[in-house]
Amino acid sequence: DTGVSQNPRHKITKRGQNVTFRCDPISEHNRLYWYRQTLGQGPEFLTYFQNEAQLEKSRLLSDRFSAERPKGSFSTLEIQRTEQGDSAMYLCASSKTAGNYGYTFGSGTRLTVV
Amino acid sequence: GIQVEQSPPDLILQEGANSTLRCNFSDSVNNLQWFHQNPWGQLINLFYIPSGTKQNGRLSATTVATERYSLLYISSSQTTDSGVYFCAVANSGNTPLVFGKGTRLSVIA
Repeated sequence: DTGVSQNPRHKITKRGQNVTFRCDPISEHNRLYWYRQTLGQGPEFLTYFQNEAQLEKSRLLSDRFSAERPKGSFSTLEIQRTEQGDSAMYLCASSKTAGNYGYTFGSGTRLTVV
Repeated sequence: GIQVEQSPPDLILQEGANSTLRCNFSDSVNNLQWFHQNPWGQLINLFYIPSGTKQNGRLSATTVATERYSLLYISSSQTTDSGVYFCAVANSGNTPLVFGKGTRLSVIA
């Protein structure tokens, strides 16, 4: 297994445009998490899935954000009508649901809104 | 929600020195993990350690859950240890991790 894969690595978009990011978790991991990280801060939780079910969403996830995990495999995070404040690193992680809950993170997608 | 405090916020070490990073948390946890974020932004899981002590090479970690703290020890530091070390906790295995603000470590040759 090659770990958690995120695409694209970098995205520059104009304010008001929509963007979509993709995350492919480790295949035997049922849980998938999205976090956002800004400069000098720790990652902040956005949402997570167990299989295809979205179990929790943070208050950070405004109605411009939507995430899906069809068929419980890869996940997408879409941001509509991007704003400059959305500029950040978007991180995806996956984990098992029992035993060792250790998270494995992808390399992230860096979004810049101009 | 649960609060996570890490100290020190910044640390500069000479290569070969040892260091201890601390993580305090405000509530009982049964999921605690330490991560290293390298200068390219990749987060690497170092330890899953809700309690007890673990060692992996030059790194070791101890969590005293009853006293709500965890320590990460780095011995014989190398320049490749530079980066930000994060502690993250959760009340259960079914809730997402909450991260601290990290300790930025710089190891100089």
